[in-house]
Amino acid sequence: EVQLLESGGGLVQPGGSLRLSCVGSGFTFRSYGMSWVRQAPGKGLEWVSAIGSGGSSTYYADSVKGRFTISRDNSKNTLYLQMNSLRAEDTAIYYCAQLVASASDSWGQGTLVTVSS
Amino acid sequence: QPVLTQSSSASASPGSSVKLTCTLTSGHNTYIIAWHQQQPGKAPRYLMKLEGSGSYNKGSGVPDRFSGSSSGADRYLTISNLQSEDEADYYCETWDSNTRLFGGGTKLTVL
Repeated sequence: EVQLLESGGGLVQPGGSLRLSCVGSGFTFRSYGMSWVRQAPGKGLEWVSAIGSGGSSTYYADSVKGRFTISRDNSKNTLYLQMNSLRAEDTAIYYCAQLVASASDSWGQGTLVTVSS
Repeated sequence: QPVLTQSSSASASPGSSVKLTCTLTSGHNTYIIAWHQQQPGKAPRYLMKLEGSGSYNKGSGVPDRFSGSSSGADRYLTISNLQSEDEADYYCETWDSNTRLFGGGTKLTVL
């Protein structure tokens, strides 16, 4: 069974930084692209970033480009999202998702990021 | 890049059927989409991948009551024999060469 477990969320001041992690199990982590998707309180899903299976191909939504960095460590079955220059509008639950044939096939339970002074 | 449009809400009675629609923008009729379900307070759950031909592949454990179909730029999710646990938000998702996007979601109420 595929399991994805996010961590690293919390309360941070505007302009601050956080690093989210997502540990995958139950599948061959290094063989799949991965993605981060967020959901602001009471709002819909918003794609944030994606990374290819090897880690060399990375993609970002315009709203986070230049501030967020996606990466992965296949030896640790872990996906990361480094978030810098955080803004109030980045407040959301952040989900990681396994990409299977391009679709978001399995989702983690999410980690809450709150940006507030 | 494409845009996905969904109705904001839908409702139906237990035991009935409902058909949710996700519409791609003009020029993107061939795009494949995925449907996801998000029950209140839970993470999203992948339901199926749906092609422009109407062919679909469901995720593991998705009940037979869920099916997909397509017509032109429209992608449909049909839920038959509605159950109370089907009350949820439903999102469609698609992807391009270097971007991904979601529709705004449809809130389904089972009356």
